[in-house]
Amino acid sequence: DVKVTQSSRYLVKRTGEKVFLECVQDMDHENMFWYRQDPGLGLRLIYFSYDVKMKEKGDIPEGYSVSREKKERFSLILESASTNQTSMYLCASQLIGGDYGYTFGSGTRLTVV
Amino acid sequence: GENVEQHPSTLSVQEGDSAVIKCTYSDSASNYFPWYKQELGKGPQLIIDIRSNVGEKKDQRIAVTLNKTAKHFSLHITETQPEDSAVYFCAASMRGGSEKLVFGKGMKLTVNP
Repeated sequence: DVKVTQSSRYLVKRTGEKVFLECVQDMDHENMFWYRQDPGLGLRLIYFSYDVKMKEKGDIPEGYSVSREKKERFSLILESASTNQTSMYLCASQLIGGDYGYTFGSGTRLTVV
Repeated sequence: GENVEQHPSTLSVQEGDSAVIKCTYSDSASNYFPWYKQELGKGPQLIIDIRSNVGEKKDQRIAVTLNKTAKHFSLHITETQPEDSAVYFCAASMRGGSEKLVFGKGMKLTVNP
């Protein structure tokens, strides 16, 4: 089975801190995605990547950046965490081709205080 | 771009009843429609998908139907069980174009014993 592993299940950070959320997949998928999930708002795409060192903005990229130095790893960076970034963050990977579903990680619940 | 709407946002049924979740999409070029189930504290998991060359697909107690003319697709769950309680997301994407999935906002299903 494809596995997408997010490094932390729960994270508490202070306002202004730089925060790294790590995601690793083990099935050589080309595409990787970061979403945030908030009640009533569903899944909103932050950034995605089609290949190593490639990144594209999603619908809500402000306040975030990403890094993909290796194919299996996709990192989400909060440059200066703010309370409105308190959320559930979900990473997903996808086999290239467009008609394959995503495989999601278990999520990281981030609280910024 | 594609827009996916999902309704209802919540549904409560008695164990053994059927449940139907409906989604509409806006882009007639979309041709891949997956459904995800998210249990409490977990990431979404793909449960069934359908491609535009098929009108219906079944897998045990779940089925998905697609009406390309009306641009809507539905998830049907028969003989519901308490373990079906979860949030269900529909999504759409277009093979050969952007491979990103566009998600509906999700529906919380509660199956009462």
